[in-house]
Amino acid sequence: KAGVTQTPRYLIKTRGQQVTLSCSPISGHRSVSWYQQTPGQGLQFLFEYFSETQRNKGNFPGRFSGRQFSNSRSEMNVSTLELGDSALYLCASSLSPGLGLETQYFGPGTRLLVL
Amino acid sequence: AQKITQTQPGMFVQEKEAVTLDCTYDTSDQSYGLFWYKQPSSGEMIFLIYQGSYDEQNATEGRYSLNFQKARKSANLVISASQLGDSAMYFCAMRGNTGFQKLVFGTGTRLLVSP
Repeated sequence: KAGVTQTPRYLIKTRGQQVTLSCSPISGHRSVSWYQQTPGQGLQFLFEYFSETQRNKGNFPGRFSGRQFSNSRSEMNVSTLELGDSALYLCASSLSPGLGLETQYFGPGTRLLVL
Repeated sequence: AQKITQTQPGMFVQEKEAVTLDCTYDTSDQSYGLFWYKQPSSGEMIFLIYQGSYDEQNATEGRYSLNFQKARKSANLVISASQLGDSAMYFCAMRGNTGFQKLVFGTGTRLLVSP
């Protein structure tokens, strides 16, 4: 069974631009979560989607948004990029929505560099 | 609110030796899950092992075992017979079992395995 896939793997943007990252979950997984990882802040939760609805949201500004499609694939968008948005963005999928007993499996991540 | 504490920024071990990575947690949830992930320099977060709060036996997965002491709120990862490929960052994480709760990560421990 294929794992979580994320595209693109690397991205370079300039301040003020916007970016869209894509995540395809493991087949059969219906919940998708997004995390941002930076050296200074560590791993921080962005949001979780299930059944095309955002179920939980982290403490990020409204420039960060996401969506989930009917096939469970998810995208996240960052508008008006800032230098501090440079990070590794990780997507994770799990079978069921937001339960502690469900393991989240992560993709390889998208490395975003904002210049 | 949940919190994970990993007090060892770095650990050094020789090949074939065992190593213990410390993790303590804090939560008011009665039911929760504890996870360990490995992150090589490539960036992908690899799931290693899971322990449920109501599991009476410590979890084991191959060379990985989780030393779960509920009263002390600790969930240490033990890697037996270390291999060079075990060199990576290791993250302890937890999630409550009610509603859509995010995965909360510790700051990680960098493990270096020498020949």
